[in-house]
Amino acid sequence: QQQVKQSPQSLIVQKGGISIINCAYENTAFDYFPWYQQFPGKGPALLIAIRPDVSEKKEGRFTISFNKSAKQFSLHIMDSQPGDSATYFCAASTTGQNFVFGPGTRLSVLP
Amino acid sequence: NAGVTQTPKFQVLKTGQSMTLQCAQDMNHNSMYWYRQDPGMGLRLIYYSASEGTTDKGEVPNGYNVSRLNKREFSLRLESAAPSQTSVYFCASSDQILEGAGELFFGEGSRLTVL
Repeated sequence: QQQVKQSPQSLIVQKGGISIINCAYENTAFDYFPWYQQFPGKGPALLIAIRPDVSEKKEGRFTISFNKSAKQFSLHIMDSQPGDSATYFCAASTTGQNFVFGPGTRLSVLP
Repeated sequence: NAGVTQTPKFQVLKTGQSMTLQCAQDMNHNSMYWYRQDPGMGLRLIYYSASEGTTDKGEVPNGYNVSRLNKREFSLRLESAAPSQTSVYFCASSDQILEGAGELFFGEGSRLTVL
């Protein structure tokens, strides 16, 4: 199974700060990269996703940056809020294959 | 609209006991999945069903069996539970995942402890 690496394992940010979570992959056939957000006691939910034909995608305070040559992508959360405190998973997939998930990052935003 | 519903939410088993986790979705999705979530391991695919009548192994299928009862329902069975199967189990459904896109819709999870 192809691996998706994710860092950091946990992250503490002050309210209003920028949260950055990084992921790296090995399989160059991956062509779809979603991020999932999970609150305690709930299932993960899709937050934002990107394809490698663009280098950046922004939805509100959430931005994915994609570096195809480095095989890396990252999630930036601008103006982080306590309500953003959750676990974030990056994932990758290719046509005909199921998603491979990273190990997750637990984000805590302090008020 | 309930989405994906899992039962039970919590279960404690003794080693060697069997149980079935139930999952139902009301979004008319073709594909359904069972994942397990362990600390530091992310979400690992146990089994999936790309369409009604088909099931396939995922990354960690050993010790589990599944049944796609109909388009709505996908159950996960532990025939002889082991402490290593202590985990949080998530059912999910989707369309288009195998086309290289699409969204997974998850249930709220079933927390299983095997003593």
